[in-house]
Amino acid sequence: AQTVTQSQPEMSVQEAETVTLSCTYDTSESDYYLFWYKQPPSRQMILVIRQEAYKQQNATENRFSVNFQKAAKSFSLKISDSQLGDAAMYFCAYRVPNTNAGKSTFGDGTTLTVKP
Amino acid sequence: EAQVTQNPRYLITVTGKKLTVTCSQNMNHEYMSWYRQDPGLGLRQIYYSMNVEVTDKGDVPEGYKVSRKEKRNFPLILESPSPNQTSLYFCASSLGSGGISHEQYFGPGTRLTVT
Repeated sequence: AQTVTQSQPEMSVQEAETVTLSCTYDTSESDYYLFWYKQPPSRQMILVIRQEAYKQQNATENRFSVNFQKAAKSFSLKISDSQLGDAAMYFCAYRVPNTNAGKSTFGDGTTLTVKP
Repeated sequence: EAQVTQNPRYLITVTGKKLTVTCSQNMNHEYMSWYRQDPGLGLRQIYYSMNVEVTDKGDVPEGYKVSRKEKRNFPLILESPSPNQTSLYFCASSLGSGGISHEQYFGPGTRLTVT
């Protein structure tokens, strides 16, 4: 079974600084997708960034970027120039396409605090 | 507006009283899922559906039922709720498999309390 591990239950960062959230996963699949979701206090789940496993280039979305290390099964999220609005719980998620495309696994989450 | 809706948003019920949480999406998505979120446990998948009349168990299906009679709707049924099913529930949908279509769109959540 696939597992997703977020080893940092809580992280904090100073406003305007950079923070990295860790995620590791275990799978025997070669083709899969990885995601980071943000959950602010409103509880709404918001997609932050996605990465296709077959792509070597790391995904970026404005201040958010990932460090995808396929061999190490690592998928960390870097938030640059942190803003107060980045404070939220962040979830790493894994999904397999094709025959089992509905199956999805999430990590336990990392709560990010941004200090002014 | 493209969205996933859930009803009710909040529900307090008693042990054993059957309930249904509805989920509907207006994006013509093939894939739909139900998750529960508990403190310290992240989101755990209950059931998912890859199309009409095609459903499969997720990681925590015990005590839940689902059906997918129409593409847009995916209700979650608790035949005999118990206190350990007190949780925050999310419905999600995605277009299909492959690339950007794997992105899941989430509903606003349903806070269920079983006493």
